[in-house]
Amino acid sequence: DTGVSQDPRHKITKRGQNVTFRCDPISEHNRLYWYRQTLGQGPEFLTYFQNEAQLEKSRLLSDRFSAERPKGSFSTLEIQRTEQGDSAMYLCASSTNRAGQSYNEQFFGPGTRLTVL
Amino acid sequence: ILNVEQSPQSLHVQEGDSTNFTCSFPSSNFYALHWYRWETAKSPEALFVMTLNGDEKKKGRISATLNTKEGYSYLYIKGSQPEDSATYLCARDDYKLSFGAGTTVTVRA
Repeated sequence: DTGVSQDPRHKITKRGQNVTFRCDPISEHNRLYWYRQTLGQGPEFLTYFQNEAQLEKSRLLSDRFSAERPKGSFSTLEIQRTEQGDSAMYLCASSTNRAGQSYNEQFFGPGTRLTVL
Repeated sequence: ILNVEQSPQSLHVQEGDSTNFTCSFPSSNFYALHWYRWETAKSPEALFVMTLNGDEKKKGRISATLNTKEGYSYLYIKGSQPEDSATYLCARDDYKLSFGAGTTVTVRA
C-alpha cells in the first residue's frame, strides 16, 4: 500500500499521560500536514511541514503539542499532559508540488482516534 | 461568508433517489475547492478538485459544480446506492485546507 499510513489507529489514555502518533506520508511527497477533527466539526489545520521544516502552526496547537519531521519523511505528533479536550481524530495528509498546478491536492491517512479518560 | 459551511448536516435518501447538498465558502482570493468522501474507519478519499468558475466535474454517479463569484459548490448524487453512504467534506484550498463540517449521507435500501 503506497498511501498515507498512521499509527496507532486508536489510542486510549488517561488524563495527564503523554501520547505520540506517527504518520508515514506517500514517499515522494515533500509536504505533510496534521489536522484534528472533533465531533460534529470538520478537520481543522494544526501544522504543516515542507521537507523537515515546520512552516506553520495553528494557534489551536497549544504548547503541549509538538510535531517533528526529522528527516523529511515520517512525522510524529506528541501531546504532553493530555486533557479530555484533546479527544479527537488526528489526521495526517501529504502532498507534493506539481509544476503548473495551482492547487494543493492532499492525500489523507485513516487517522488516529484519541480518547482521553 | 467567513468560514466554509455545508448544509444540510445530514440527510437520508432512499436507494435509487437523487440528492444534492451545498458548500459555501469565502470567495475572495480563491484558489481551489476540494470535495472528499469519508467513510467510517477509512481515509478521506478525494473526489474532485475544482478551480474555475463554472467548473463541472463528474465521477460516475457523483458530480459537482462550482461558482467562485458567489462562493458556493453543489455536490449531486444520482440514483443513490447504499455504498454512497458517507460523510462528504468540502474544503477551501489556501495551501492548508479549511473544511466544512460535512454532510453525512445515509442511503436506505
